[in-house]
Amino acid sequence: AQTVTQSQPEMSVQEAETVTLSCTYDTSENNYYLFWYKQPPSRQMILVIRQEAYKQQNATENRFSVNFQKAAKSFSLKISDSQLGDTAMYFCAFSTGGGADGLTFGKGTHLIIQP
Amino acid sequence: DGGITQSPKYLFRKEGQNVTLSCEQNLNHDAMYWYRQDPGQGLRLIYYSQIVNDFQKGDIAEGYSVSREKKESFPLTVTSAQKNPTAFYLCASRLGLSPTYEQYFGPGTRLTVT
Repeated sequence: AQTVTQSQPEMSVQEAETVTLSCTYDTSENNYYLFWYKQPPSRQMILVIRQEAYKQQNATENRFSVNFQKAAKSFSLKISDSQLGDTAMYFCAFSTGGGADGLTFGKGTHLIIQP
Repeated sequence: DGGITQSPKYLFRKEGQNVTLSCEQNLNHDAMYWYRQDPGQGLRLIYYSQIVNDFQKGDIAEGYSVSREKKESFPLTVTSAQKNPTAFYLCASRLGLSPTYEQYFGPGTRLTVT
């Protein structure tokens, strides 16, 4: 079974700062996918970024980027130039590479962007 | 508008009653999922379905049941056997079986059982 651990229950930074959210995972699979989801106060889950384990290059989506360290089983999310609208719960999630089984989520990090 | 609909947004029931949560998608997605979210717990998988008339148990299936009679619909029944049914329930769907396809989420249903 896979596990996902987010060790920071809450983080707070000033607007325009850069912040990094941590995530570690445990799996015996070699082919898998990692995700960061954002859940704002509306509680709608939004996919932020996705990383495929077989790809060495770290994924980037505008202000969001990841640092994927496969050997260390680490998958951190960096948010640059943080904005007030980034305030939300952020969840790290894991999926095996085959089949339609669902996602395994971490417990989340509550990120607060201060004006 | 394509998307996932969950109704109602808030649901209240008395202990001992079964309750069914609705999930409908018009995205023509094959796979559908039910997750439960509790405070401080993240999301946990209840059931999932890859095709019509087929579904599999997730990590916390006890006390829940599902059906998949139509591609667009995946209702979840919370039975009286579920010991702690009060939670936020999220439905999701995905176009194909591979996780290369994005999993889309509905707006959720908040169930309160007293």
